[in-house]
Amino acid sequence: GQSLEQPSEVTAVEGAIVQINCTYQTSGFYGLSWYQQHDGGAPTFLSYNALDGLEETGRFSSFLSRSDSYGYLLLQELQMKDSASYFCAVRGGGATNKLIFGTGTLLAVQP
Amino acid sequence: DTAVSQTPKYLVTQMGNDKSIKCEQNLGHDTMYWYKQDSKKFLKIMFSYNNKELIINETVPNRFSPKSPDKAHLNLHINSLELGDSAVYFCASSQDRVVNTEAFFGQGTRLTVV
Repeated sequence: GQSLEQPSEVTAVEGAIVQINCTYQTSGFYGLSWYQQHDGGAPTFLSYNALDGLEETGRFSSFLSRSDSYGYLLLQELQMKDSASYFCAVRGGGATNKLIFGTGTLLAVQP
Repeated sequence: DTAVSQTPKYLVTQMGNDKSIKCEQNLGHDTMYWYKQDSKKFLKIMFSYNNKELIINETVPNRFSPKSPDKAHLNLHINSLELGDSAVYFCASSQDRVVNTEAFFGQGTRLTVV
């Protein structure tokens, strides 16, 4: 089957660094993406890793290890506005190549 | 201009009714999707269309019928609504369905069946 597992909740304080992990199992693989969703809002794209290594975009970085079927999203200098749900996503491969989302991680940033 | 727009934003209806949700994207994308997000925030793909052609139809009850009159529009019609259909439905689009390109989501339609 195809699945992506994430921790359900993470809590951190303002200014801290937090890492959200994602392990995946798919029949094919075309890269790992991350999306942010604020409560009541729509998912919005954050980052994409096609190859192994770290990609940095401002305070957010994303890492991929294809050999371990594992990636993570790193959020630095946390701000209250970063409180949201974070989803990893992959293309599932196969004839349909559907975009599959992880179980989601609810990040709560405390003052 | 909103990239992906869906209407209505809220929909409250009684069991057994039939309802439709409309979606339009002005990004020129080839691929459009419908996702269902339940109360546990799990985003589950329902359908995907590529250039008006249905390419993904997950194990969704056949009470749900998507329609794509052109590649910029993907509507969702639901017959005989049930309590379990209550969820947030998101329309999304992406440039293609091969590479893991960014998907753009509509604002969501919160469907409540009473």
